[in-house]
Amino acid sequence: GAVVSQHPSRVICKSGTSVKIECRSLDFQATTMFWYRQFPKKSLMLMATSNEGSKATYEQGVEKDKFLINHASLTLSTLTVTSAHPEDSSFYICSAHPLAGGVNEQFFGPGTRLTVL
Amino acid sequence: AQSVSQHNHHVILSEAASLELGCNYSYGGTVNLFWYVQYPGQHLQLLLKYFSGDPLVKGIKGFEAEFIKSKFSFNLRKPSVQWSDTAEYFCAVIPSGNTGKLIFGQGTTLQVKP
Repeated sequence: GAVVSQHPSRVICKSGTSVKIECRSLDFQATTMFWYRQFPKKSLMLMATSNEGSKATYEQGVEKDKFLINHASLTLSTLTVTSAHPEDSSFYICSAHPLAGGVNEQFFGPGTRLTVL
Repeated sequence: AQSVSQHNHHVILSEAASLELGCNYSYGGTVNLFWYVQYPGQHLQLLLKYFSGDPLVKGIKGFEAEFIKSKFSFNLRKPSVQWSDTAEYFCAVIPSGNTGKLIFGQGTTLQVKP
């Protein structure tokens, strides 16, 4: 149980285009999902907290207009990288907190590798 | 600045050697502590966690960690590593009142030689 999927697993796009990444909790409902960014040989950096039915909360330094987050249902959150540039190339990982779980229990997706040419 | 620090960035061990990876944090108050592992090409998996109670926590695959409050530390240990333990290890903290937001350390790359 407690499986989180991400789609796509890899995406290559041209500079200036927008890319949507999906995060789904497959066998549980999640009121809260988190989006992280992982640079090569670096740790995970929390970008934003996505709450079902409300606006996402962004961490300091993360542009909310560039990284659009939508949490339309209890099993799906999407991250859209708008007008992507090469510096946005990274590994994006989501995690989901189960509705029925303890407040600090969360499960991670496999990540999405974004390459912007 | 408040942070999570992992002292060892890259550790190379031979099979059967003992492992200890350091983790220190600088948050006061109650904290929830985690160790995650990321095997090559795979997603993050929880190794173990500490919320309260016995400060010596046992996790999966023979790993354990000890919470020492006075030292703000949560070091990961394994008595005898295997080649399959080769992976990236992350210490993470949820500070008091942080509502689930994980703050990660820099990660430690463990390479186990057969």
